[in-house]
Amino acid sequence: GQSLEQPSEVTAVEGAIVQINCTYQTSGFYGLSWYQQHDGGAPTFLSYNALDGLEETGRFSSFLSRSDSYGYLLLQELQMKDSASYFCAPRVGTGGFKTIFGAGTRLFVKA
Amino acid sequence: DAGITQSPRYKITETGRQVTLMCHQTWSHSYMFWYRQDLGHGLRLIYYSAAADITDKGEVPDGYVVSRSKTENFPLTLESATRSQTSVYFCASSDRENNQPQHFGDGTRLSIL
Repeated sequence: GQSLEQPSEVTAVEGAIVQINCTYQTSGFYGLSWYQQHDGGAPTFLSYNALDGLEETGRFSSFLSRSDSYGYLLLQELQMKDSASYFCAPRVGTGGFKTIFGAGTRLFVKA
Repeated sequence: DAGITQSPRYKITETGRQVTLMCHQTWSHSYMFWYRQDLGHGLRLIYYSAAADITDKGEVPDGYVVSRSKTENFPLTLESATRSQTSVYFCASSDRENNQPQHFGDGTRLSIL
C-alpha cells in the first residue's frame, strides 16, 4: 500500500519560518511535489524534488531525502496570504504517471 | 491564454442519473488527470491519460468512465451517480513526462441527492 504522513495543522506568526514535514511509503517512487491550495480554490504547484537535496524558489524551499522517505517544505518570511493547505505529493507507480496527494497540512498565519 | 477550464462549476443531480463533467485545455498538454477531493482525504486520482486515446485507472476509478478522443478534452462521466460521489472534482494537465507541474482547473462542485 501507499501512505503519506504530514501534520494536519500548523500555526505560525507573520514573518516567522515554518517547516511542514512529510513522510511517505510508496511503490515506484519518482519524486516529491508540493502544492498549495487556498480555501475554495484549485491546487497550485510549488516545487518538485526528483533528487535528494534542497530546492529553493523565493521564500519557499523544499527538501527530499529518498533514503529516509522524507521531505519537507520550508516557508520563510510568512505572510498572511500563506494561510492555506499544503500537500506533499509523491509521484509513484509504473512510469510515474500517478501523483498521490495526502490529506494536507492546514497552515494558519497569525498577525 | 484560457488554460484549463472545467464545466459546469456547480452541478446538482439525483442518484442514478448519468452526469458528465467536462475538462478542456488550450495548451496541448499530453497528460491529463481527474481527481476528486473530499474532506479529510486530500485529492484522490480517478483516471489519467498520457495522450489521446490512452487512459488508465487511478486510485478510485469505480463508477467513473473517461475518454480522450482529442488531446484538449478529457470528459469524466458518472454512469449512474451515487451519493458517495458527491465531491469536488478537479481536472489537471501537464506537458512534462514527469507530470510536474500539474495545472489544475477551478473544479466542479457536484452534489448528488
